[in-house]
Amino acid sequence: AQSVTQPDIHITVSEGASLELRCNYSYGATPYLFWYVQSPGQGLQLLLKYFSGDTLVQGIKGFEAEFKRSQSSFNLRKPSVHWSDAAEYFCAVAPDTGGFKTIFGAGTRLFVKA
Amino acid sequence: EAGVVQSPRYKIIEKKQPVAFWCNPISGHNTLYWYRQNLGQGPELLIRYENEEAVDDSQLPKDRFSAERLKGVDSTLKIQPAELGDSAVYLCASSQGAQRAFFGQGTRLTVV
Repeated sequence: AQSVTQPDIHITVSEGASLELRCNYSYGATPYLFWYVQSPGQGLQLLLKYFSGDTLVQGIKGFEAEFKRSQSSFNLRKPSVHWSDAAEYFCAVAPDTGGFKTIFGAGTRLFVKA
Repeated sequence: EAGVVQSPRYKIIEKKQPVAFWCNPISGHNTLYWYRQNLGQGPELLIRYENEEAVDDSQLPKDRFSAERLKGVDSTLKIQPAELGDSAVYLCASSQGAQRAFFGQGTRLTVV
């Protein structure tokens, strides 16, 4: 079955520390991969996406993600977290760019402490 | 527990026709979102409800789009008249306040 797993329900990091949010997927073929952020009470915002090519993709707000086919992973990273990064982060996969069959992970809530 | 339910799953209409989408959120979720996802793009928020009140509809094209959430539960999103550029996937999501959002499977609209 197709699925997306975000193993960490919530993560707490200190401001200025590095961040890695995990995402593993189960898919029959190479999927299209996305990371979204949702600030409290706000809508989703696309951080970055991977379709093909370089497996390290850069996104907005200083985020990057690395696609590792052998591990079926697409982890999100940021070298230095800011307090404004506190939010919910969703990993998602889709069989194509059409979006209709996008499967979202359950999300990881990021807390940032001073 | 049932998730967010959307219907229909697919809809094909001719341009200038009206269309409506329906969303049933998870029971107890007071926040409801409608998103539009264009081909190759991420979802874009159209409108967010807190109970029956639309608290953020800044991205909703109000000349042809309308939404309602009567009694703060189910919601409908309407387009009248539809244009070719409205072809997209329309996602509904719900949450309990600012907690994690759960997404429906979406409705794929094709305008021909």
